[in-house]
Amino acid sequence: SQQGEEDPQALSIQEGENATMNCSYKTSINNLQWYRQNSGRGLVHLILIRSNEREKHSGRLRVTLDTSKKSSSLLITASRAADTASYFCEYQYNNNDMRFGAGTRLTVKP
Amino acid sequence: DAGVTQSPTHLIKTRGQQVTLRCSPKSGHDTVSWYQQALGQGPQFIFQYYEEEERQRGNFPDRFSGHQFPNYSSELNVNALLLGDSALYLCASSIAGRMNTEAFFGQGTRLTVV
Repeated sequence: SQQGEEDPQALSIQEGENATMNCSYKTSINNLQWYRQNSGRGLVHLILIRSNEREKHSGRLRVTLDTSKKSSSLLITASRAADTASYFCEYQYNNNDMRFGAGTRLTVKP
Repeated sequence: DAGVTQSPTHLIKTRGQQVTLRCSPKSGHDTVSWYQQALGQGPQFIFQYYEEEERQRGNFPDRFSGHQFPNYSSELNVNALLLGDSALYLCASSIAGRMNTEAFFGQGTRLTVV
């Protein structure tokens, strides 16, 4: 498969709770990006984290990158019903090859 | 400033036919990447065009081909359509081959092969 691992595949939480999604990849990367997708339409870029960075924040989003474990996590704090969507990581290998994870389907219940 | 635009939004084709999908990148972007997304899965990279040349290609057969024009817009062509080609086709634009740069996605073209 071309896709990396993303877990969980599906996550259901209550509004106000935090949501954590994980992404793993296989070899060295240049950067990793997280995207959001609503209802099978276009992807919206959330955060780009470079291989020499360990953590980035954007509003209620926090992304970490652990290159020793070849994994990244996306944390959404104080979730809202409007955060319901699919979340994907995309990683760019050192040869510029790019791959998406399989995605996590997040449902936030009001 | 228009973002990435794709046309058409929906398309129904018959098995064996050929299809052309179009993408106009965000203003100032010179790189276009195409992805195929089957229902319930993550996008799969098809290929990337930069300076009117195919720079990288994913694991897709030669039935999938593309083109980039001098104005940076791009086309994706699929020949001899199979039922399995039914998917959402996404176009993303970026700058200079996407080294550590953000990509902007269009809303996609939903292709159904019957």
